[in-house]
Amino acid sequence: DAGVTQSPTHLIKTRGQQVTLRCSPKSGHDTVSWYQQALGQGPQFIFQYYEEEERQRGNFPDRFSGHQYPNYSSELNVNALLLGDSALYLCASSLGGSDTQYFGPGTRLTVL
Amino acid sequence: QKEVEQDPGPLSVPEGAIVSLNCTYSNSAFQYFMWYRQYSRKGPELLMYTYSSGNKEDGRFTAQVDKSSKYISLFIRDSQPSDSATYLCARIENSGGYQKVTFGTGTKLQVIP
Repeated sequence: DAGVTQSPTHLIKTRGQQVTLRCSPKSGHDTVSWYQQALGQGPQFIFQYYEEEERQRGNFPDRFSGHQYPNYSSELNVNALLLGDSALYLCASSLGGSDTQYFGPGTRLTVL
Repeated sequence: QKEVEQDPGPLSVPEGAIVSLNCTYSNSAFQYFMWYRQYSRKGPELLMYTYSSGNKEDGRFTAQVDKSSKYISLFIRDSQPSDSATYLCARIENSGGYQKVTFGTGTKLQVIP
């Protein structure tokens, strides 16, 4: 049973560029949440997708957007990258309203 | 004041020691708590969750919640080098019909052989 997978593993971008990160949820899960984890910090909630719609959102600007596909996989898009966007981006999947989330290994984004 | 606060450590203990990891929280709304373990360059993995005050035990791990003092703890007995990781506490509360998850900053633990 495949767990949560994310791609790419690492990514280097320059300020002002745009980036797309991808996530495949654990088999059978229909809800995907995205988190940003800066170095030495805990994960910060970005948003959650369920049934292809953004269900709830954390305190992140509109530069952060997402999408969920019918197969429940999801993308996180960040526009106009800033140096401060450098972080580990984590995807977590769950089933429906369950609070039990399974995390992927993350994508480490470096903005130069 | 942060919603969930943790001492970032690092905390170094000898193998076999009892480890105590702690979090405090500021909100008194109905909520429950989870502990996650995160190895370097990996995503967090769920260790334990607890819904009420008191203790919950799972093998070498015990989670404790004291709602009167807004204090949550994770105890690790007979600590092993493989326990070396960052431990994150998380508070889950119902917000607008959905679960809102707030993580602490994490405590880095190193168990010395």
